[in-house]
Amino acid sequence: LAKTTQPISMDSYEGQEVNITCSHNNIATNDYITWYQQFPSQGPRFIIQGYKTKVTNEVASLFIPADRKSSTLSLPRVSLSDTAVYYCPLLGGSYIPTFGRGTSLIVHP
Amino acid sequence: DGGITQSPKYLFRKEGQNVTLSCEQNLNHDAMYWYRQDPGQGLRLIYYSQIVNDFQKGDIAEGYSVSREKKESFPLTVTSAQKNPTAFYLCASSGTVSPYNEQFFGPGTRLTVL
Repeated sequence: LAKTTQPISMDSYEGQEVNITCSHNNIATNDYITWYQQFPSQGPRFIIQGYKTKVTNEVASLFIPADRKSSTLSLPRVSLSDTAVYYCPLLGGSYIPTFGRGTSLIVHP
Repeated sequence: DGGITQSPKYLFRKEGQNVTLSCEQNLNHDAMYWYRQDPGQGLRLIYYSQIVNDFQKGDIAEGYSVSREKKESFPLTVTSAQKNPTAFYLCASSGTVSPYNEQFFGPGTRLTVL
């Protein structure tokens, strides 16, 4: 059964770079790695997705090592508005995302 | 403006009553999903549908029912058989169900059963 492990919570300060790591030891060969962000009382929204190596967009970077058993979401120079819960759901055999508790990031002034 | 709408945003019901939550999408997506979220918890899958007139149970389908008569609509009924229905309900859609599945979520409906 595909399962991910993330830190429950993290704290940072404005302007710092934040790295959130997700472990997914049983990732399937075909599965992509996707990260979502959720603000309180809102639905999650897609941040970034990748299969291997490094992916960068205007919001974040995603680092995936060669064995693909983990991935790291990197948020450059965070601001207070980056305070949210971050998820790295894995796909089960039916390709349906399974969301764990995610990582609650709190950015302090 | 494409997206997913859920209504209402807040819903209150008395115990023992069935209630239907609306979910509509104009993204032309084939797949739609319903998740439940409890405070401090992740999202748990209730039902999903890969195509019109077809749907599958998720991890916590007991006490819920769905229909998919139109591509753009996937309503969820919370029945009186659901033991603890108070929660935040999220609807999502994706183009298809695939290894590179990107889901688009609605704003959610917060249901409180009194």
